[in-house]
Amino acid sequence: DAGVIQSPRHEVTEMGQEVTLRCKPISGHDYLFWYRQTMMRGLELLIYFNNNVPIDDSGMPEDRFSAKMPNASFSTLKIQPSEPRDSAVYFCASSLTNYNEQFFGPGTRLTVL
Amino acid sequence: GENVEQHPSTLSVQEGDSAVIKCTYSDSASNYFPWYKQELGKRPQLIIDIRSNVGEKKDQRIAVTLNKTAKHFSLHITETQPEDSAVYFCAASTVTGNQFYFGTGTSLTVIP
Repeated sequence: DAGVIQSPRHEVTEMGQEVTLRCKPISGHDYLFWYRQTMMRGLELLIYFNNNVPIDDSGMPEDRFSAKMPNASFSTLKIQPSEPRDSAVYFCASSLTNYNEQFFGPGTRLTVL
Repeated sequence: GENVEQHPSTLSVQEGDSAVIKCTYSDSASNYFPWYKQELGKRPQLIIDIRSNVGEKKDQRIAVTLNKTAKHFSLHITETQPEDSAVYFCAASTVTGNQFYFGTGTSLTVIP
């Protein structure tokens, strides 16, 4: 398996634009997590899915953020409209269960100008 | 819900010395405690984990200890090397719960 795949690796956009981040988890993993990492706030859990169903989205900052998992091999995190304070590295991770190792993707570095 | 606290936030040690990072948790139902290492510009990666049925686990220069009564667990790195410099995160999770809580991270610098 190639591991968790994220795209794009880097994204630069202007304030007000829509941004879509993509993630392909490791095949067979039932859990998928989206994290945001900044210097100020560290590693924050935004939302996670179990068997494609969102379980906890309490970490999603506001209504501008939305996440979907239409099938077991694909998830998106969308920001609309984007703001400069959304600039961060966004990680996707997957795991077999909620008490096993989480495998992180390489991350997407988002810059909103 | 669970609350994981991690200390210290930064740690500097001389090469060859030991480093210890401590985490406390609040939910007595937590029973899985992993440690992740994140090098600069890289993704977090698991380095060691422990489950509540054991009190200590070792892997070469790395060890983790767990005190369930006191609700704390620690990462011990012996004979530190410059390549150990990174940010280390602890985490806690439960078998029956639906959450996975990370600590705030410790930035470790090993001075050659």
